[in-house]
Amino acid sequence: GENVEQHPSTLSVQEGDSAVIKCTYSDSASNYFPWYKQELGKRPQLIIDIRSNVGEKKDQRIAVTLNKTAKHFSLHITETQPEDSAVYFCAASLLNTGFQKLVFGTGTRLLVSP
Amino acid sequence: DTAVSQTPKYLVTQMGNDKSIKCEQNLGHDTMYWYKQDSKKFLKIMFSYNNKELIINETVPNRFSPKSPDKAHLNLHINSLELGDSAVYFCASSQRGRGSYEQYFGPGTRLTVT
Repeated sequence: GENVEQHPSTLSVQEGDSAVIKCTYSDSASNYFPWYKQELGKRPQLIIDIRSNVGEKKDQRIAVTLNKTAKHFSLHITETQPEDSAVYFCAASLLNTGFQKLVFGTGTRLLVSP
Repeated sequence: DTAVSQTPKYLVTQMGNDKSIKCEQNLGHDTMYWYKQDSKKFLKIMFSYNNKELIINETVPNRFSPKSPDKAHLNLHINSLELGDSAVYFCASSQRGRGSYEQYFGPGTRLTVT
């Protein structure tokens, strides 16, 4: 089955710096890669996702890149703000007739210091 | 206008007891999920239902039994609770075929087994 590795486990940056979180997946059939943000004591929420037919996707300060050959994808956050502090999870799934079985990475705790 | 709700929010019980967690979504989604998040924040799929039909059944002890009385509800019953069942359980929902694969998570139920 699918296995997703995520690095680093913790990341501390200064406000305004960029942050990069990296994930690798094992199943070359996976074609959907979302990123979820979970603030302390809250529910996970989708922040951005990418399909395997796209190499990069941006949404304001957040971007995701996908390298299918190497089977890795990354989350890039620019101009970080204290409210970006949270745990970020990458995930991978095979979308088959619309069904998805998300396999999550182990999470990255991002701390943005003012 | 809560999208995905769970009850109870907290559940403290003794080993050997049986307990249930309820989940309801008012988004009109056709697919619902149960996830377990352990103390290390690792998020893992347990079950998924589509239109009341079980479609994902991970390697979960058969003490855990999901039930979906209708598309909007997915309950989780746990028999003979063990210390290792202590975790946060998240319900989620999504809709196939709308172009978005976002899973909407509930607020979580923190289960503590003593």
